[in-house]
Amino acid sequence: AQSVTQLGSHVSVSEGALVLLRCNYSSSVPPYLFWYVQYPNQGLQLLLKYTTGATLVKGINGFEAEFKKSETSFHLTKPSAHMSDAAEYFCAFLGSGGYQKVTFGTGTKLQVIP
Amino acid sequence: DTAVSQTPKYLVTQMGNDKSIKCEQNLGHDTMYWYKQDSKKFLKIMFSYNNKELIINETVPNRFSPKSPDKAHLNLHINSLELGDSAVYFCASSLGQGASQTPQYFGPGTRLTVL
Repeated sequence: AQSVTQLGSHVSVSEGALVLLRCNYSSSVPPYLFWYVQYPNQGLQLLLKYTTGATLVKGINGFEAEFKKSETSFHLTKPSAHMSDAAEYFCAFLGSGGYQKVTFGTGTKLQVIP
Repeated sequence: DTAVSQTPKYLVTQMGNDKSIKCEQNLGHDTMYWYKQDSKKFLKIMFSYNNKELIINETVPNRFSPKSPDKAHLNLHINSLELGDSAVYFCASSLGQGASQTPQYFGPGTRLTVL
């Protein structure tokens, strides 16, 4: 079955430290992959997406993610955490070829410690 | 100039009641969705409509009935509310289906509490 797995339901980093949120996918065909962010009491907002082409994808707010086929991973990174980055982050997956629904991971809550 | 709006934002009701949540998008998108997010933040799709036609209907109790009067609106009616229906319900829209179903634009959510 095609899916995404987010490792770590909670991640804490110090302000200014590297942010690394992990996402692995399971698919027999090249997928489309996404990261969404959900701030408290708000809906989800797209951070970045990978469809085809360049494997390093840059998104909003200084985030980026790299598609690594050999590792079936799409980890989200940011060089320096800011207090405003504290939120829930969701990795999402769309299988390519034909209509399928977007499947969301279970989410990772990022805490930024001053 | 809100892209995807939902009403109400909060809904508190008794078990057994019937309630509706409304959703409107002004993005000109063809496809709309309802998601349920539980207390553990798990996000699960419930329904998807493309141009007023139902295209995804996950294993949702038939107490839940979506209605799309036009492609800019997708409402969710829930009959005989149960405690387990308490969750945050998100409406979303996208340009279309397939690869065009991303990105999805989400509404602010409706927090439903069933007492």
